[in-house]
Amino acid sequence: DVKVTQSSRYLVKRTGEKVFLECVQDMDHENMFWYRQDPGLGLRLIYFSYDVKMKEKGDIPEGYSVSREKKERFSLILESASTNQTSMYLCASSPPLRTGGAYEQYFGPGTRLTVT
Amino acid sequence: AQSVTQLGSHVSVSEGALVLLRCNYSSSVPPYLFWYVQYPNQGLQLLLKYTTGATLVKGINGFEAEFKKSETSFHLTKPSAHMSDAAEYFCAVSVRETSGSRLTFGEGTQLTVNP
Repeated sequence: DVKVTQSSRYLVKRTGEKVFLECVQDMDHENMFWYRQDPGLGLRLIYFSYDVKMKEKGDIPEGYSVSREKKERFSLILESASTNQTSMYLCASSPPLRTGGAYEQYFGPGTRLTVT
Repeated sequence: AQSVTQLGSHVSVSEGALVLLRCNYSSSVPPYLFWYVQYPNQGLQLLLKYTTGATLVKGINGFEAEFKKSETSFHLTKPSAHMSDAAEYFCAVSVRETSGSRLTFGEGTQLTVNP
């Protein structure tokens, strides 16, 4: 089974702190994604990566950056946390297109971040 | 660009009753369609997917969905609800892009099952 793990289930940070959210997958997937989930808004894509050292902006990248130095690890960085970044953050991975997959994504358990 | 609309942010059914969760999509190319389920304080789990071929797809936990191109719909059904089905359900559409693919999600439908 695909396993996607996230470094923390719950995190409390102060306004202005630099925050790192880590995601690791064990299936050699090339594609990785970061979403935030808010009530009534569904999942919104922050950043994604199709390969090591590659990154692409999603729909709401402002206030975030990412790092992908190794294939299995994709980090989300909040450079200076703000209260409006309080949310559930979900990481996902999917296999490459050449495998003929249907692009389904496999999700981690999520990190609930509170910024005070 | 693709989009997904889930009709009804909250659906309530009685145990043993039919579950129907509605999803309509918009896509300029043939889509791949998915339903995911999220239990409280957990990540999303794939319920079922439509790629090509048979338009009625069966998933886990007794759920199924039918792709209707003429109606641009992909509604999720289950004949008899169980208490354990209470969760949030997300419909998603995927379209291939140059370097890979991404999913666009609906806003979710919270399913409540009453005893």
